[in-house]
Amino acid sequence: DVVMTQSPLSLPVTLGHPASISCRSSQSLVYSDGNIYLSWFQQRPGQSPRRLIYQLSNRDSGVPDRFSGSGSGTDFTLRISRVEAADVGVYYCMQGTWWPWTFGQGTKVEIK
Amino acid sequence: EVQLVQSGAEVRKPGESLRISCTTSTHNFNTYWIAWVRQLPGRGLEWMGRIDPSDSDVDYSPSFEGHVIFAVDKSSTTAYLQWSSLKASDTAIYYCARLVDGSYGDIDLWGQGTLVTVSS
Repeated sequence: DVVMTQSPLSLPVTLGHPASISCRSSQSLVYSDGNIYLSWFQQRPGQSPRRLIYQLSNRDSGVPDRFSGSGSGTDFTLRISRVEAADVGVYYCMQGTWWPWTFGQGTKVEIK
Repeated sequence: EVQLVQSGAEVRKPGESLRISCTTSTHNFNTYWIAWVRQLPGRGLEWMGRIDPSDSDVDYSPSFEGHVIFAVDKSSTTAYLQWSSLKASDTAIYYCARLVDGSYGDIDLWGQGTLVTVSS
């Protein structure tokens, strides 16, 4: 199985400051169609996950432009340009290129 | 608004059977594969597998094959996750999710989750 490794696992952040989460895959996530099926999900406390970013860098409708996704091959990053209180939760990367699809361990974002 | 609505929380004893459901009335049921994802208490997300509602084609993640069954009922646009013999280690929240395309993993919609508690 493709292993997705996130870092850090815990991320204390200051309101209004930027934050960055790294996700590395154990093999390239380039699919046969040339796309990279790497998604980022946010799970707020007590809620279902919500997709923020799909296919590496596409932001979902309604997701603030403070969130952005980037990367290539095996290294990926989710950035929050200015953290707000509503951003508290756990963030997961997920690869959908190789079956069985796999999630990262999750990164818990909390306010300092 | 497109929704996936899951059945309510369940409590069972080890060895008992269970079926939980995931219903949609707001998109073409045959068009989108349904995935099932497990979240153990206080833990991360795990893929269980996927099912194509149009023909019930199923793929299970190796960790879950042989222990769970996915099914659909097209007449009620409902997907099911079922166990014939639960274990205490099955205690978790189970999410259904909609896949944009069954060929690759891209979830665009999640159910609200069903908490399953297995305890003697």
